[in-house]
Amino acid sequence: GAVVSQHPSRVICKSGTSVKIECRSLDFQATTMFWYRQFPKQSLMLMATSNEGSKATYEQGVEKDKFLINHASLTLSTLTVTSAHPEDSSFYICSAGGGVLDEQYFGPGTRLTVT
Amino acid sequence: AQKVTQAQTEISVVEKEDVTLDCVYETRDTTYYLFWYKQPPSGELVFLIRRNSFDEQNEISGRYSWNFQKSTSSFNFTITASQVVDSAVYFCALSEAGTALIFGKGTTLSVSS
Repeated sequence: GAVVSQHPSRVICKSGTSVKIECRSLDFQATTMFWYRQFPKQSLMLMATSNEGSKATYEQGVEKDKFLINHASLTLSTLTVTSAHPEDSSFYICSAGGGVLDEQYFGPGTRLTVT
Repeated sequence: AQKVTQAQTEISVVEKEDVTLDCVYETRDTTYYLFWYKQPPSGELVFLIRRNSFDEQNEISGRYSWNFQKSTSSFNFTITASQVVDSAVYFCALSEAGTALIFGKGTTLSVSS
């Protein structure tokens, strides 16, 4: 299957700072990228859907001004957590969709810890 | 609305036992996809299978097998002769074409030696 990378894999930041997470599709053009969040011992929950060149669509309850998503190219989407708080500590996973078979491929995830 | 239910929160078995993880889904669409993923402690999702709604054939891959039954909206996953390395959280998921996956709550499988 296709390869999707995320950077960084782990990040620790102080409360009030911002952190950017990158999601790259390495060998195909992703027309759509999805961002999920997973709290400890819980399932993955969709945060937002982004299509290349257009604004992201956020799920109910996800603050768009806090979680900024940019999908400027067919191979890169970024999620910026602004003014992070300890309750934002979570595992963030992206998936990239597209291709002939309309499949989706998940990145390895980014573990964010806000102190 | 779409929904995936994994009623088993945790399952514990001893090595070499067979184990079945249940998955029941709800959707109004006639075209959809069903998935199973494995999530080891590292967190990275490991893709196991993707099945479209028009293909009800059961599938076997080594010790893994899947039983898809549209009549009961179920997509169950069986591990034969379980091994310690099978210990992980397993997620069943559902999607329409091109949309995000909706995940069940997951089943934690513990296999002891």
